[in-house]
Amino acid sequence: GENVEQHPSTLSVQEGDSAVIKCTYSDSASNYFPWYKQELGKGPQLIIDIRSNVGEKKDQRIAVTLNKTAKHFSLHITETQPEDSAVYFCAAGGGTASKLTFGTGTRLQVTL
Amino acid sequence: NAGVTQTPKFRVLKTGQSMTLLCAQDMNHEYMYWYRQDPGMGLRLIHYSVGEGTTAKGEVPDGYNVSRLKKQNFLLGLESAAPSQTSVYFCASSWGILDSPLHFGNGTRLTVT
Repeated sequence: GENVEQHPSTLSVQEGDSAVIKCTYSDSASNYFPWYKQELGKGPQLIIDIRSNVGEKKDQRIAVTLNKTAKHFSLHITETQPEDSAVYFCAAGGGTASKLTFGTGTRLQVTL
Repeated sequence: NAGVTQTPKFRVLKTGQSMTLLCAQDMNHEYMYWYRQDPGMGLRLIHYSVGEGTTAKGEVPDGYNVSRLKKQNFLLGLESAAPSQTSVYFCASSWGILDSPLHFGNGTRLTVT
């Protein structure tokens, strides 16, 4: 089945700096790669996703890049703000496992 | 439009007790899921359903049972709770299973003593 590794597990950046979270996946047939943001006491919420026919996708300060050859994808947050502080999960799906497999999460802290 | 609603929000059980977690969605989604979230382990799929009356095992199904008698509801049962089932449980729903976004509830924090 699919295996998703996510790094780093914790990340601290200053307000205004950029943050990058990286994930690798094992199933070359996976074709859907969403990112979820989880705020304290709440369920994860989708913030951006990318499909394997696209190399990069942007939505305001958030971008995701995908390298199918290397089987890794990354979340980029620019001009970070305190409200970006949360736990971020990557996931991979659509391959032989058919369902989403999640990474172990990255706790992002944006300091003033 | 409430999305995905989970009840209860918190629960404490003693070892061996049973309970049912309730999940309701108002988005007319076909697919529903139960995940557990443990520190350092991400979200792991317990059971899921591809439609009313259907259920299937995920990656960590042991000790849990589920039922989907109505399209909008997905129930997760623990017949004999164990301390290893202390976790935060999330229900989710989606319109597709392969490449569609999951909509999560806000979770149930379960402690088994």
